[in-house]
Amino acid sequence: GQQVMQIPQYQHVQEGEDFTTYCNSSTTLSNIQWYKQRPGGHPVFLIQLVKSGEVKKQKRLTFQFGEAKKNSSLHITATQTTDVGTYFCAGPRSNSGYALNFGKGTSLLVTP
Amino acid sequence: EAQVTQNPRYLITVTGKKLTVTCSQNMNHEYMSWYRQDPGLGLRQIYYSMNVEVTDKGDVPEGYKVSRKEKRNFPLILESPSPNQTSLYFCASSLLGSYEQYFGPGTRLTVT
Repeated sequence: GQQVMQIPQYQHVQEGEDFTTYCNSSTTLSNIQWYKQRPGGHPVFLIQLVKSGEVKKQKRLTFQFGEAKKNSSLHITATQTTDVGTYFCAGPRSNSGYALNFGKGTSLLVTP
Repeated sequence: EAQVTQNPRYLITVTGKKLTVTCSQNMNHEYMSWYRQDPGLGLRQIYYSMNVEVTDKGDVPEGYKVSRKEKRNFPLILESPSPNQTSLYFCASSLLGSYEQYFGPGTRLTVT
């Protein structure tokens, strides 16, 4: 069935280092969303990408949607301790209205 | 304040004792959904609803029931809970036509 895969599962960086998480879908996606979940918290929507090759920035975060609309990435420049959490990508499930398939997430740990 | 609320936030129960986790949103969202989150498995969708009286199965619906009698409420019912339903549960909502989902704070359920 349709799957959304994320790598790496975990990433531990020193504060100031860059971080990237990758998301790959087994099928072409109409759009992709990214969410962040802080430890002990709930997922919070970050952004949605719709167009092939789209790049969006939010301060130190850069989101990309692949040309084939089957992969996406989130890059954080110069990580801070406030970036700690789990980052999920999610894509619409085929033939299921607005249901989403979430990746398993990448847990980011930032040490000062 | 726009929000999704869940009750209870924590629940410890015994096998076979029926329970209901409530979910309510005040944003007039048509779409509501339940997820369970387990370590290493990410967010898996249990059920979703695209409007009042319209519900559909997600990835892991076995052992769960839902109802959508009012637009703002989407309770999750476990008729006969089992230990493998011990998990962190999230309710989410969104406008139809938008994939930006708003998550509740979560309900941590333990079934012994």
